[in-house]
Amino acid sequence: EVQLVESGGGLLQPGGSLRLSCAASGFTFSKYAMSWVRQAPGKGLEWVSAISGRDNSTYYADSVKGRFTISRDTSKNTLDLQMNSLRADDTAIYYCAKANSGWPIGYFDYWGQGTLVTVSS
Amino acid sequence: EIVLTQSPATLSLSPGERATLSCRASRSVSSYLVWYQQKPGRAPRLLIYDASNRATGIPARFSGSGSGTDFTLTISSLEPEDFAVYYCQQRSNWPITFGGGTKVEIK
Repeated sequence: EVQLVESGGGLLQPGGSLRLSCAASGFTFSKYAMSWVRQAPGKGLEWVSAISGRDNSTYYADSVKGRFTISRDTSKNTLDLQMNSLRADDTAIYYCAKANSGWPIGYFDYWGQGTLVTVSS
Repeated sequence: EIVLTQSPATLSLSPGERATLSCRASRSVSSYLVWYQQKPGRAPRLLIYDASNRATGIPARFSGSGSGTDFTLTISSLEPEDFAVYYCQQRSNWPITFGGGTKVEIK
């Protein structure tokens, strides 16, 4: 059974940093692309970042480019999102999502339960 | 960036009725259009991928159609558990984008 479990969310002030983690199990983690997708309170879904399962190339939404870094550790089956220079509009539930293949621009067949990040002074 | 516009924003229907949801892309996404269902407090769930393919375990009352810029998700006969928010997503071009969602509520 595929499981994705996020952790690391919390409350922090603007300008701060946070590292989210997603523990993956139930599939060959190294072969699949992974993404982070966020959802601001009461709002829709926004894709944030992806990492390829083919060559570990990375992709970012313009809204987070230069501030967020996605990475994976295939020895631990974990996906991380390092978030720096956080702003109030980064407040959201952050979901870890598995892509359907190693190709990063896919659809998301499994999602974690999400972790809440709140940026507020 | 490809903008996805979903309509209507809210659909008020009764159980047993047919629901027709629309997703329009600002330019062609070929058949690379995906549909998700999201219930309050829950993560999205994959329903339909590549315009018309039902995901594993999705009931046959859910169907998708369309190509290019115009897509439709149809729920043939609403069950109580189908009242939720539905999102479309394109995977044709970077960045991956989602539509704003259609809420299907009980009338």
